[in-house]
Amino acid sequence: DAGVTQSPTHLIKTRGQQVTLRCSPKSGHDTVSWYQQALGQGPQFIFQYYEEEERQRGNFPDRFSGHQFPNYSSELNVNALLLGDSALYLCASSRGTAVVWGSGYTFGSGTRLTVV
Amino acid sequence: QKEVEQNSGPLSVPEGAIASLNCTYSDRGSQSFFWYRQYSGKSPELIMSIYSNGDKEDGRFTAQLNKASQYVSLLIRDSQPSDSATYLCARGNSGGYQKVTFGTGTKLQVIP
Repeated sequence: DAGVTQSPTHLIKTRGQQVTLRCSPKSGHDTVSWYQQALGQGPQFIFQYYEEEERQRGNFPDRFSGHQFPNYSSELNVNALLLGDSALYLCASSRGTAVVWGSGYTFGSGTRLTVV
Repeated sequence: QKEVEQNSGPLSVPEGAIASLNCTYSDRGSQSFFWYRQYSGKSPELIMSIYSNGDKEDGRFTAQLNKASQYVSLLIRDSQPSDSATYLCARGNSGGYQKVTFGTGTKLQVIP
């Protein structure tokens, strides 16, 4: 049973560029949440997708956008990259209310983004 | 006030001792709480969840919840060097759509 798959694992981009990160959720999961984790910090909620719609969003600018496809996979796009966007980007999949009342998230291994 | 607060550590304990990790939260409506373990360079993994006041035990791990004091803790008995990691405290939001809010994590070092 495949877990959560994220790609790429590492990425180096230049300020001002755009980047797309990808996530395939665990089999049976229908909800994808994205988190940003800066070095030495806890994961910060970016947004969550369910039924191909963004249903809630954290305190991140519009430069951060996403998409969910019919097969539940998801993309995170970041435009006009800043040095401060350098972080580990985590995809977490879940099924319905299991996030809070059940088994919680299953995290992917993350994408390490470095902006230079 | 941060939604979930933890001491960043590091917390150093000798092998075989009890490690005690603490966390406070600000939203009184929170009903679910989690402890995630994160090894350096890896993604978080869920080790405990707790929803009711009191203690919940799973092997060497015990989670404690006190909603009146808005306090959550994790005890690790017989600490092993392999327990050395960052422990993230998290809460589930109290209403609406489901999401989890994390603290900054406490780094635990178990000294052989």
